[in-house]
Amino acid sequence: AQSVAQPEDQVNVAEGNPLTVKCTYSVSGNPYLFWYVQYPNRGLQFLLKYITGDNLVKGSYGFEAEFNKSQTSFHLKKPSALVSDSALYFCAVRDPMDSSYKLIFGSGTRLLVRP
Amino acid sequence: DVKVTQSSRYLVKRTGEKVFLECVQDMDHENMFWYRQDPGLGLRLIYFSYDVKMKEKGDIPEGYSVSREKKERFSLILESASTNQTSMYLCASRYPGQGLPEQYFGPGTRLTVT
Repeated sequence: AQSVAQPEDQVNVAEGNPLTVKCTYSVSGNPYLFWYVQYPNRGLQFLLKYITGDNLVKGSYGFEAEFNKSQTSFHLKKPSALVSDSALYFCAVRDPMDSSYKLIFGSGTRLLVRP
Repeated sequence: DVKVTQSSRYLVKRTGEKVFLECVQDMDHENMFWYRQDPGLGLRLIYFSYDVKMKEKGDIPEGYSVSREKKERFSLILESASTNQTSMYLCASRYPGQGLPEQYFGPGTRLTVT
């Protein structure tokens, strides 16, 4: 069965420092992977995706993520955190062979960037 | 820009009431989805629709039904609301085909059942 794990409920980082939000997945075959962000009282916004090709993908707001097939991970990173990056982050996976197109989401990681 | 709208941001209903949550997208997307979001559980799929008048159960369909009479609109129905359906409900849509698999989300409806 497909699944996504976000092992940290919360990540704290100082402004200007690099940040990493972790995600590991379990899916048969080659997955499609996504990161979404949710600001308070808002819906989810798409940040970036990995479909195929270069393992390092760049997305919105200076975020990037690295696909590591051997470790089945897709960690979200940013070289220099901003206070405005504080939000709830969701990793999601889709099995390309699944005709339902549904996404499986992790439980979310709250990022707090302190000034 | 893709726009997905939901009829209400906040809703308070009583136990046993029939509740309608509406979602509209303006990009001619074929696929639409309803999720609920609960702390520590992430998003869980309730129902989805491939196209007009088509619907499929997701992972947690019990207590819910859906309607898709027009391509742009996907409604979630709580036949008899219960307190355990208090949650944030998120609607999403996506382009058809494999090339752009990401989903676009509405702002959410926070439903409280008392």
